[in-house]
Amino acid sequence: TQLLEQSPQFLSIQEGENLTVYCNSSSVFSSLQWYRQEPGEGPVLLVTVVTGGEVKKLKRLTFQFGDARKDSSLHITAAQPGDTGLYLCAGRRGGSYIPTFGRGTSLIVHP
Amino acid sequence: DADVTQTPRNRITKTGKRIMLECSQTKGHDRMYWYRQDPGLGLRLIYYSFDVKDINKGEISDGYSVSRQAQAKFSLSLESAIPNQTALYFCATSDFGLAGGPREETQYFGPGTRLLVL
Repeated sequence: TQLLEQSPQFLSIQEGENLTVYCNSSSVFSSLQWYRQEPGEGPVLLVTVVTGGEVKKLKRLTFQFGDARKDSSLHITAAQPGDTGLYLCAGRRGGSYIPTFGRGTSLIVHP
Repeated sequence: DADVTQTPRNRITKTGKRIMLECSQTKGHDRMYWYRQDPGLGLRLIYYSFDVKDINKGEISDGYSVSRQAQAKFSLSLESAIPNQTALYFCATSDFGLAGGPREETQYFGPGTRLLVL
């Protein structure tokens, strides 16, 4: 059983569309992070959320941590081809330094 | 220059061969990690090291070993490679003592090594 379930697994959309990807668990996390991985490169951190209900915005990207700290979402407004990549969520439980990664959502934005 | 480098970037080897993947970092971080990534399976932790004298097994350590030669260097070995070890391997680093504590640590990844075992 995967500790962090990401959905959808694949997403193919046109430039300008909005989208939301989800990261869900039955476990409580002390923090949730979102990384983006572009082809041929390693993942790069986008955001860290630590408080239940927290919302953070990064330009056209909006990240939310669920009130119960068991889930998170990433919403992209007016997607652009540069948003193409694999989006990974990673959660830490308790005081652990070691994150658990979800399987990722592969996003393709067509011009 | 990249802060976390991995060599080689691509490697093809045969079943039974011993190979080593190397990772170097100039970030001055104490903690280093090795992950493997398979399509549809995300990142899975192989080994991690919190300092030069510390080595810990991760989720999938069987068939792998590591060496922390210095703060800046962490190598991964496949003692006898097998085809199901074909994957993309990432090294990562993180820093100790950030203001937010362990839950806000950022991991910094290298560019990856693509390994094919025939």
